[in-house]
Amino acid sequence: QKEVEQNSGPLSVPEGAIASLNCTYSDRGSQSFFWYRQYSGKSPELIMFIYSNGDKEDGRFTAQLNKASQYVSLLIRDSQPSDSATYLCAFNAGNNRKLIWGLGTSLAVNP
Amino acid sequence: DTEVTQTPKHLVMGMTNKKSLKCEQHMGHRAMYWYKQKAKKPPELMFVYSYEKLSINESVPSRFSPECPNSSLLNLHLHALQPEDSALYLCASSPERVSYEQYFGPGTRLTVT
Repeated sequence: QKEVEQNSGPLSVPEGAIASLNCTYSDRGSQSFFWYRQYSGKSPELIMFIYSNGDKEDGRFTAQLNKASQYVSLLIRDSQPSDSATYLCAFNAGNNRKLIWGLGTSLAVNP
Repeated sequence: DTEVTQTPKHLVMGMTNKKSLKCEQHMGHRAMYWYKQKAKKPPELMFVYSYEKLSINESVPSRFSPECPNSSLLNLHLHALQPEDSALYLCASSPERVSYEQYFGPGTRLTVT
């Protein structure tokens, strides 16, 4: 069964620190990996996607993918209180449009 | 522009009512999705439309009926819902890329009384 595992947290970091969120997945055939941010009561917002091994950077966010070890991570540099949210990782289940979701990690950035 | 719009924002309906949720995107995406999300859970896929044809139905009860009138619009018709159907209903769309990344609308908060 295809699965995604995330530490549910809460992960608490001080303002200005690096927040590191991790996700492991079980399906070696997975091709694309996604990080969504979701504020309480709001819809998920796509912040990063990655499908090649290595790092992908976008502003303060860096996604890291290691297919051999089956993990994907999200680093948030210079964390701000506005980054406090639930971060959901997901991957696509092969050559179709269905995403397999983790349960999410709650991040709290403390001023 | 990565905007998906949904109406209404909030909906309260009785178990005998019929209502519809609407979703619209103008990004030229040819795949659209309906999800249901309960508190503190990830989104749960309900339906996928690809090129205006239903391609995935995740064994959703028949009281939920999707419709895709054209490539920009997606509706979800609701009838005889149960209180446990109360949730955030999300619409998403994705472009024709192998990455299949999905962009979500703001959602409709549905309460069934």
